Amino acid sequence: DIQMTQSPSTLSASVGDRVTITCRASESFGMWLAWFQQKPGKAPKLLIYKASSLETGVPSRFSGSGSGTEFTLTISSLQPDDFATYYCHQYGTYWSFGQGTKVEIK
Amino acid sequence: EVQLVESGGGLVQPGGSLRLSCAASGFTFSNYEMDWVRQAPGKGLEWVSYISNSGGTINYADSVKGRFTVSRDNAKNSLFLQMNILRAEDTATYYCVTDREANRGSAKRGEYWGQGTLVTVSS
Repeated sequence: DIQMTQSPSTLSASVGDRVTITCRASESFGMWLAWFQQKPGKAPKLLIYKASSLETGVPSRFSGSGSGTEFTLTISSLQPDDFATYYCHQYGTYWSFGQGTKVEIK
Repeated sequence: EVQLVESGGGLVQPGGSLRLSCAASGFTFSNYEMDWVRQAPGKGLEWVSYISNSGGTINYADSVKGRFTVSRDNAKNSLFLQMNILRAEDTATYYCVTDREANRGSAKRGEYWGQGTLVTVSS
């Protein structure tokens, strides 16, 4: 099974900050990586797929990059609506998820 | 509008069984591979099972293999998860999720999620 490790687990930031979340995989699976945003009591929402493709309707301040075993999600200027938990998700071999990164208000 | 509506969750004793359903609408269900993903209270996401659009290919996480069975009825736009020999660690919200749209070549997975149904395994 492919293990996904996200860092940091928690991130404290202010509105306007540039935020980066990293996801490392135990083995390579190509570009089949997605990022989800989840708010309390809600289902996850797709933000990025195939490592860097922005889902329709997602603000352009979100971007994804990486390949092989290391991927990043960047929020260029954090907005109030962005405080949430973020998960990376590989779908190259079955599915697996990172443990999540909670973005908190500083 | 795409909708996935899960049902069938509830409180069950250890060793018991439950059958979850997911009713799909607003898209061509038979074209989509589907997954179940669960989330224990306050924890992260865990993939549970996969079923191809025809139902001919099925996969399970090791944690549920031999106890859970996924199936689908394309004529009724429905996905199911039969859960047997339930354990306390199966307590979670269970989501049905779209996977690949077959024959489309899309790179998207997890585009649509249901609202989830809570399964609590406790005596």
